[in-house]
Amino acid sequence: DVKVTQSSRYLVKRTGEKVFLECVQDMDHENMFWYRQDPGLGLRLIYFSYDVKMKEKGDIPEGYSVSREKKERFSLILESASTNQTSMYLCATTEQGNYGYTFGSGTRLTVV
Amino acid sequence: RKEVEQDPGPFNVPEGATVAFNCTYSNSASQSFFWYRQDCRKEPKLLMSVYSSGNEDGRFTAQLNRASQYISLLIRDSKLSDSATYLCVYHNQAGTALIFGKGTTLSVSS
Repeated sequence: DVKVTQSSRYLVKRTGEKVFLECVQDMDHENMFWYRQDPGLGLRLIYFSYDVKMKEKGDIPEGYSVSREKKERFSLILESASTNQTSMYLCATTEQGNYGYTFGSGTRLTVV
Repeated sequence: RKEVEQDPGPFNVPEGATVAFNCTYSNSASQSFFWYRQDCRKEPKLLMSVYSSGNEDGRFTAQLNRASQYISLLIRDSKLSDSATYLCVYHNQAGTALIFGKGTTLSVSS
């Protein structure tokens, strides 16, 4: 089975801090995604990547950036954390083609 | 029309009941459809893919109606362990990422 590991389960950061959320997958999948999930809003796509050093904006990229220096690692960066970025962040991965995603267990980020 | 619409529920059913969820989607060109299950405070997990011909996996049956742009999930003989939120999912217009519905909550009681 694909294993998708997110570095932290819970994280508390202060407003204005730079925050790094890490995601690592062990199955050599090309495609990796970052979503956030909020009550009443569902999962919303922030950024995705189809290859090393490649990135595409999703539906809500504002306030975020990403980095994919190695195939197995996809990092989400909050340049200057704000309270409206308090959320559950979910990383996902999939093979090329029309397959379903495998998610990491999520990082619940609180910005105070 | 919203990209994907689901009745949020909750659906409260007794053990053994049959329950059905529907979901409508807006992208008529989408080729891939899925149902995901999400337990409270857990990540979504793939339940099943949805094919044009319909597909069945044990007590679960998924159907796709392209003409009306909806997919459905039928759960027979509900178990307590089926209590979860069920997410309707399909590919976006560009085919580059999955669009998730907000989910339908099912609560099965004894």
